[in-house]
Amino acid sequence: EVRMVESGGDLVQPGGSLRLSCAVSGFSVGSYYMNWVRRAPGKGLEWVSVIYSGGGTYYADSVKGRFTISRDNSKNTLNLHMESLRVEDTGIYYCTRDLYLDSSGWLHTFDVWGQGTEVTVSS
Amino acid sequence: EIVMTQSPATLSVSPGERATFVCRASQSVRSDVAWYQQKLGQSPRLLIFGASTRAPGTPARFSGSGSGREFTLTISSLQSEDFALYFCQQYNNWPLLSFGGGTKVEIE
Repeated sequence: EVRMVESGGDLVQPGGSLRLSCAVSGFSVGSYYMNWVRRAPGKGLEWVSVIYSGGGTYYADSVKGRFTISRDNSKNTLNLHMESLRVEDTGIYYCTRDLYLDSSGWLHTFDVWGQGTEVTVSS
Repeated sequence: EIVMTQSPATLSVSPGERATFVCRASQSVRSDVAWYQQKLGQSPRLLIFGASTRAPGTPARFSGSGSGREFTLTISSLQSEDFALYFCQQYNNWPLLSFGGGTKVEIE
């Protein structure tokens, strides 16, 4: 069964750091494009970061230079290290998997989501 | 950045009725649009990709259409389990993906 379970969300002060993890089962995290997507309270979804199957990474402008996405193929986990956290980083963080079809290749939409982990940045 | 704008923000519909809502892109995204459903306390679920292709497990009452800048999601006959939040997403400008603000479908 394909499953993703996030952890690591917490209450942290502005300027603080936090590390989120996403434990993956049912597929290899290193074989897929994997992302973090967040949803602030009362707002829509926001894409945060991607790590390609080849290992390259990309970030939304709002987190560039502060967040680092990584993966551990041996543990089959996806990670997000967050530094210099701001109040506006508050929200639920989801790990997601890009859809891959043999007929179309990578479609950068998300067919598997974790249940989310809550990050609150507040003094 | 491509901005996705959804309307209306809230749609009040009676069970069994048809619901249609719209997603507009600030520039053409061809057919690279997906729709998600999110219920309270749950993570989003992929319904439609490629503007009109139903994801596995998506009931046939859900249909997507559109290309370029304007897209619609239609639920032909609302069931109780369809009352939820719906988001559109463009992936034409990958890796700079963006979502709409959402449409909440509530019981009238």
